[in-house]
Amino acid sequence: AQKITQTQPGMFVQEKEAVTLDCTYDTSDQSYGLFWYKQPSSGEMIFLIYQGSYDEQNATEGRYSLNFQKARKSANLVISASQLGDSAMYFCAMRGSNYKLTFGKGTLLTVNP
Amino acid sequence: DTGVSQDPRHKITKRGQNVTFRCDPISEHNRLYWYRQTLGQGPEFLTYFQNEAQLEKSRLLSDRFSAERPKGSFSTLEIQRTEQGDSAMYLCASSPRGSQVATNEKLFFGSGTQLSVL
Repeated sequence: AQKITQTQPGMFVQEKEAVTLDCTYDTSDQSYGLFWYKQPSSGEMIFLIYQGSYDEQNATEGRYSLNFQKARKSANLVISASQLGDSAMYFCAMRGSNYKLTFGKGTLLTVNP
Repeated sequence: DTGVSQDPRHKITKRGQNVTFRCDPISEHNRLYWYRQTLGQGPEFLTYFQNEAQLEKSRLLSDRFSAERPKGSFSTLEIQRTEQGDSAMYLCASSPRGSQVATNEKLFFGSGTQLSVL
């Protein structure tokens, strides 16, 4: 069974500062993928970044980077230079040997001006 | 690429009524997923289609739920005899064609249908 844990129900950050959203996972699969999605109030889940379990480099996509620590089973999302439009729910998710994407409970990020 | 489209965006119904939601995936995508998201939770897997074949249904999908994907294009999710516990956001997602599901397969989500059962 796969499990995703996001321990921060809510986070606040000042505009233009960096913020880290935590994610830990549990799986018995050797090969798996980790994802971060953003869900604004409109409801649509927007893909942000992906990290494969065998990737040696941490993934980066623009202002998003994934701090992958395999031994600790953590996949934290780092957002640099926060913008007001970054205010949203953020979900960590993983896919292992099956086709199901398993999500955490999410973190509500609020960016203050 | 017009994205994944879901209709309606909002549905209010009375307990015991039947409801049907529609999902139009991205045209070249052969896989289609339904997820359910309740308040304060992440999306939970309901069911999955590869083309027109429904390959798995979650235990969350009781006998009152049925999903179809005729001709491997759009999909419908029907809930019969709705209950208040069915109130949730129903999300549809699609992903590109391929013979094997890969761990890096990215899902493209629609904006969801918000169901409220009174």
